[in-house]
Amino acid sequence: NAGVTQTPKFQVLKTGQSMTLQCAQDMNHNSMYWYRQDPGMGLRLIYYSASEGTTDKGEVPNGYNVSRLNKREFSLRLESAAPSQTSVYFCASREENWSPLHFGNGTRLTVT
Amino acid sequence: RKEVEQDPGPFNVPEGATVAFNCTYSNSASQSFFWYRQDCRKEPKLLMSVYSSGNEDGRFTAQLNRASQYISLLIRDSKLSDSATYLCVVNSASTSGTYKYIFGTGTRLKVLA
Repeated sequence: NAGVTQTPKFQVLKTGQSMTLQCAQDMNHNSMYWYRQDPGMGLRLIYYSASEGTTDKGEVPNGYNVSRLNKREFSLRLESAAPSQTSVYFCASREENWSPLHFGNGTRLTVT
Repeated sequence: RKEVEQDPGPFNVPEGATVAFNCTYSNSASQSFFWYRQDCRKEPKLLMSVYSSGNEDGRFTAQLNRASQYISLLIRDSKLSDSATYLCVVNSASTSGTYKYIFGTGTRLKVLA
């Protein structure tokens, strides 16, 4: 059972480049989340998807877009990367409203 | 005031010691609570959920105090492998009906040989 899988693990972009972070879960969870984690700050929610076909903004959505492709997959896109988007990105999913989150391994992104 | 607050530490304790962390939260309507462990540059991993009556898992005990709006984590007989950052997470229903998870910034624990 793989749980939550993220790709790539590492990425270096130049300012202005675009990329998509992929996330897939095999636990049949309805809800999926994208977080970023920066030194000295807690995890901050970028976007989430409560169920297939719906997406909503979180705390820090600017500069990002998401797609809930199907129940398994939730991707995060940076259209024009900026150095401020250098961070570690985590995808997570959960079973029910009060359930804990299950995290992927993370993507370490550097924008130069 | 932050929604979830933790002492960042670090807590440096000798092997075998007992150590306790607290976490306070501001939303009295919060419904579920968790402790996660995060190793350096890795993903957060669920350590335990926190129930109203308190719960124990081996050397780890979690407590919830709704009146004072804090949760605690007690680690007995600390091992070197317990060295990590411990994240407090609080889940609340928002006014829009969605559920949001608020993370503390974490408490660093270093267990010394």
